Amino acid sequence: GQQVMQIPQYQHVQEGEDFTTYCNSSTTLSNIQWYKQRPGGHPVFLIQLVKSGEVKKQKRLTFQFGEAKKNSSLHITATQTTDVGTYFCAVPSGAGSYQLTFGKGTKLSVIP
Amino acid sequence: EADIYQTPRYLVIGTGKKITLECSQTMGHDKMYWYQQDPGMELHLIHYSYGVNSTEKGDLSSESTVSRIRTEHFPLTLESARPSHTSQYLCATKSKTSGIYNEQFFGPGTRLTVL
Repeated sequence: GQQVMQIPQYQHVQEGEDFTTYCNSSTTLSNIQWYKQRPGGHPVFLIQLVKSGEVKKQKRLTFQFGEAKKNSSLHITATQTTDVGTYFCAVPSGAGSYQLTFGKGTKLSVIP
Repeated sequence: EADIYQTPRYLVIGTGKKITLECSQTMGHDKMYWYQQDPGMELHLIHYSYGVNSTEKGDLSSESTVSRIRTEHFPLTLESARPSHTSQYLCATKSKTSGIYNEQFFGPGTRLTVL
């Protein structure tokens, strides 16, 4: 089935530093989604990328979709303690692409 | 307000007990999913349903069963709980229409501990 590799698994940063997580697929993707899960919480949808080379911004978060639509990144500028959590990428899978296959996630810790 | 509800939120139970985890939604979504997630780990799809009377097993083999008799209700049952079933169980929904986004909406989860 569809697989997506996500790195790094963990990232510890000082507050104010930048953070980036990457997702890679061996196959071309129709789209890729990003979710955030706060400690003790549930995944919450952040964004979906569809177009080749697409770049979207949400305040300090920048999402990119590669030109070949096989990789994606999430970059956070000047991290804050509120950014703590695990960030997952997810790609469509299954018949009709109604399912999602999630990456293993990157757990972000922010040191105040 | 449209939402996804899961009960109980926390459950500690002894080995061999039968349990049912409830998931209900008021969003009117036709597609519903159950994921299993160990703390800090990835999400594994264990069951999904694309509508009433439609249920399928997901990628991760699970001893649990599900039913979908009503659109808004998607309960998960374990006939005989074992310590290996200890995990967080997340219910999610997805809209029928494609729209701009195809995201899934997650409930708060049930944290199950089997002693």
